[in-house]
Amino acid sequence: AQSVTQPDIHITVSEGASLELRCNYSYGATPYLFWYVQSPGQGLQLLLKYFSGDTLVQGIKGFEAEFKRSQSSFNLRKPSVHWSDAAEYFCAVGAGYSSASKIIFGSGTRLSIRP
Amino acid sequence: EAGVAQSPRYKIIEKRQSVAFWCNPISGHATLYWYQQILGQGPKLLIQFQNNGVVDDSQLPKDRFSAERLKGVDSTLKIQPAKLEDSAVYLCASSGGQGINEKLFFGSGTQLSVL
Repeated sequence: AQSVTQPDIHITVSEGASLELRCNYSYGATPYLFWYVQSPGQGLQLLLKYFSGDTLVQGIKGFEAEFKRSQSSFNLRKPSVHWSDAAEYFCAVGAGYSSASKIIFGSGTRLSIRP
Repeated sequence: EAGVAQSPRYKIIEKRQSVAFWCNPISGHATLYWYQQILGQGPKLLIQFQNNGVVDDSQLPKDRFSAERLKGVDSTLKIQPAKLEDSAVYLCASSGGQGINEKLFFGSGTQLSVL
């Protein structure tokens, strides 16, 4: 069975600084990987996803993530954060050829932005 | 395009009482999901519907939780009787299909506090 770990519970970065949120997964085959963002009082919104192909994936709001099979990682990055990026970020992993019901979410990383 | 609607936004009940949550998915979406998100954790799937049939309810505590999706549109999730550990945000999501590559659209959730 697949699993996902987000090692950082809470991260604070200064506005305009770069950001990297860590995500490690466990799955025997090539996983389907996702990053979701949850702003206060809002539902989760898909930022980006990786299924196959280019290991560097571009998403919405200027985010990108890189799939590294050798490290079992799918870290989320943004070159310059904005105050509006303050939110909870969830990495998720799914098994190929299965239903969306089999997507497993990590415990999340809360991002705070320092003015 | 209207998003996934959920009500109520907040609910406070005492243990052993019953409670119901309502979800209206995006128009035309055949697949509907209910997730439980406990504070500090990622969302955990409770049940998935395809139209008005249950696809996956393996993680639904069936002794106290029930869900239905009459006519394949709106859905209700009920807890009876509630326990303290049921305190969580209950998220509804919908998608056009049930494949793992389908984009999930989440509602804002119902925050349940059981006292």
